[in-house]
Amino acid sequence: DTAVSQTPKYLVTQMGNDKSIKCEQNLGHDTMYWYKQDSKKFLKIMFSYNNKELIINETVPNRFSPKSPDKAHLNLHINSLELGDSAVYFCASSQFSGGYTFGSGTRLTVV
Amino acid sequence: QKEVEQNSGPLSVPEGAIASLNCTYSDRGSQSFFWYRQYSGKSPELIMFIYSNGDKEDGRFTAQLNKASQYVSLLIRDSQPSDSATYLCAVNDGGATNKLIFGTGTLLAVQP
Repeated sequence: DTAVSQTPKYLVTQMGNDKSIKCEQNLGHDTMYWYKQDSKKFLKIMFSYNNKELIINETVPNRFSPKSPDKAHLNLHINSLELGDSAVYFCASSQFSGGYTFGSGTRLTVV
Repeated sequence: QKEVEQNSGPLSVPEGAIASLNCTYSDRGSQSFFWYRQYSGKSPELIMFIYSNGDKEDGRFTAQLNKASQYVSLLIRDSQPSDSATYLCAVNDGGATNKLIFGTGTLLAVQP
C-alpha cells in the first residue's frame, strides 16, 4: 500500500495548456508539501499545507495553485504552462518536525 | 537566503571503502538534519536524521553533526555498488513550518 501516491507519473503537454497533479497520503500526517526538482536535481519547496491550511507559499508564479480538500490530499493545478515549468514535481508529507516521505514524482514535460 | 551546500561530486570510492559525504548550512537556528538517498529516476528516500551534536549510527550509516561549525556529514561503511546514488542533505529552516531546505546533492559512485 503506497504511503504517498501521485498521479500521473508522466505528463507531456503543450505550452499554454492547464494541467493538474494529484497527491494522496495514507500515513495520517498533518502536513503535505509540493517540491519542484529541476534538471540539476535541486529540490525547491513550492507550497505546504498543514491540516488543510496553507502555511508555506514560496515565490511561485500565480499560475500554480495548490488545493487541499482534506489533510490526506494535496493537489497542484498549473495554468498556462510554459517551457520552464518542465521539471519533476514531488509531493511529500510529514508529521511534526520529522523527515518527509516523498511520492514517486510527476515528470512534467512542456513542449 | 538560507542555504545548504554540498559538493556535487561525483565521489568515487571502491567497494568496501568508507564513503564520506559532507554538508554545510547557513542558518544557526536549524534544529533538524536529514540525509536522503535518491536513485536516478526515483524519489528521495530518508535514510538518516540527527538532531543533537555528535554521532548517530544506523547499520552501515553514521550521521555526524557539529552545530558550532554548521556542518553535518554522512559516513557509509563497507560501501556497496547498490549505494551508488545521489545523497541529499536537508536542513529545517528553524521556523515553525518544518520547511526543509535541500542541498544540491552529492553523486556517489561505488566501483566494484
